[in-house]
Amino acid sequence: AQSVTQLGSHVSVSEGALVLLRCNYSSSVPPYLFWYVQYPNQGLQLLLKYTTGATLVKGINGFEAEFKKSETSFHLTKPSAHMSDAAEYFCAVSPMDSSYKLIFGSGTRLLVRP
Amino acid sequence: EAGVAQSPRYKIIEKRQSVAFWCNPISGHATLYWYQQILGQGPKLLIQFQNNGVVDDSQLPKDRFSAERLKGVDSTLKIQPAKLEDSAVYLCASSLERGGGASPLHFGNGTRLTVT
Repeated sequence: AQSVTQLGSHVSVSEGALVLLRCNYSSSVPPYLFWYVQYPNQGLQLLLKYTTGATLVKGINGFEAEFKKSETSFHLTKPSAHMSDAAEYFCAVSPMDSSYKLIFGSGTRLLVRP
Repeated sequence: EAGVAQSPRYKIIEKRQSVAFWCNPISGHATLYWYQQILGQGPKLLIQFQNNGVVDDSQLPKDRFSAERLKGVDSTLKIQPAKLEDSAVYLCASSLERGGGASPLHFGNGTRLTVT
């Protein structure tokens, strides 16, 4: 069965610092990969996704993620954190089969210090 | 375009009572999902509809949870009777096709349920 592991339930960075949120998946076949963001009292919003092609994916709000098959990872990065980036971030995978089920990790809360 | 609409936003009930949540997906979206998000966890899929048919309900506690999607549009999720462990945010999402790959999910703001 597919699973997603997000290392670190909380990550704290200073404003202007690099953001790195880690995501590893377990799958015998590389799945589709996603990052979603959730602001307080709101639903989830798609940040970026990897399906096929270029392994470095750019998303909204300056975020990007790189698919590394050899490491089964899909870490999310942003060069310079902004206060508005404070939110919960979820990595998700979807198997490349007919189910199209979206399986979420447990989430990482990003705190941005002034 | 209008987003996924959910109501109510908040609901507080006592255990053993019943509750219902409503979802109106984005117009034209064939696939509708209900997710349960317990505090501190990622969303867990409860049920997935394709038009008005159930695609996946393997994680739906069928002894107390039920869901329907009449006419392939709006959907209702019901819990009867509720337990304390049902306290969570219930998220509805929709996608143009059976999502996950090329068709991203669009989420509503959720219904926060507290069972006392």
